Amino acid sequence: AQSVSQHNHHVILSEAASLELGCNYSYGGTVNLFWYVQYPGQHLQLLLKYFSGDPLVKGIKGFEAEFIKSKFSFNLRKPSVQWSDTAEYFCAVSSFRDDKIIFGKGTRLHILP
Amino acid sequence: GAVVSQHPSWVICKSGTSVKIECRSLDFQATTMFWYRQFPKQSLMLMATSNEGSKATYEQGVEKDKFLINHASLTLSTLTVTSAHPEDSSFYICSASLGPNEQFFGPGTRLTVL
Repeated sequence: AQSVSQHNHHVILSEAASLELGCNYSYGGTVNLFWYVQYPGQHLQLLLKYFSGDPLVKGIKGFEAEFIKSKFSFNLRKPSVQWSDTAEYFCAVSSFRDDKIIFGKGTRLHILP
Repeated sequence: GAVVSQHPSWVICKSGTSVKIECRSLDFQATTMFWYRQFPKQSLMLMATSNEGSKATYEQGVEKDKFLINHASLTLSTLTVTSAHPEDSSFYICSASLGPNEQFFGPGTRLTVL
């Protein structure tokens, strides 16, 4: 069965700090990988996704993620965070067999102004 | 962009009553919709896959008779929590599929059962 593990439950950073949120997945076949963001009081939005091709994926709002197949990882990065990045971030995986998306437990990111 | 709505956004009900939650794709047709449940400080757990015109597919451990899903049209899926109990209190989120691996999420419905 597929599973997703996010390393940090709660991260607190100051503005302009660099961000890296860890994500590892468990699945034997070909996967699609996602990062979603949920801003306070809003619904889930897609930040970026990886299906195939260049393992370094650029998303919205300056986020990027790197797929490292050998490590089963898909870490999210941003070189300089802003206060508006305060949100909960979910890593997710799906297989080519079906559309079901399996989510990690989420990382709550709090940016100090 | 693709917009998904849910109604109601929050509901409080007495134990033993049934509650219906609607999920609508506003500007696209979705043959497949998904229902998730999110407990506080936990991840979204997939409950079931709802296919238009056919029976829903439930994930292991989800009671079919308790969580009734109906996908009567290409823009509407409903989740009915039957005989709700306090342990059913949760945040229920739906998503609608625009294509393979392309889901758009609703804003969620917070259910509180007294």
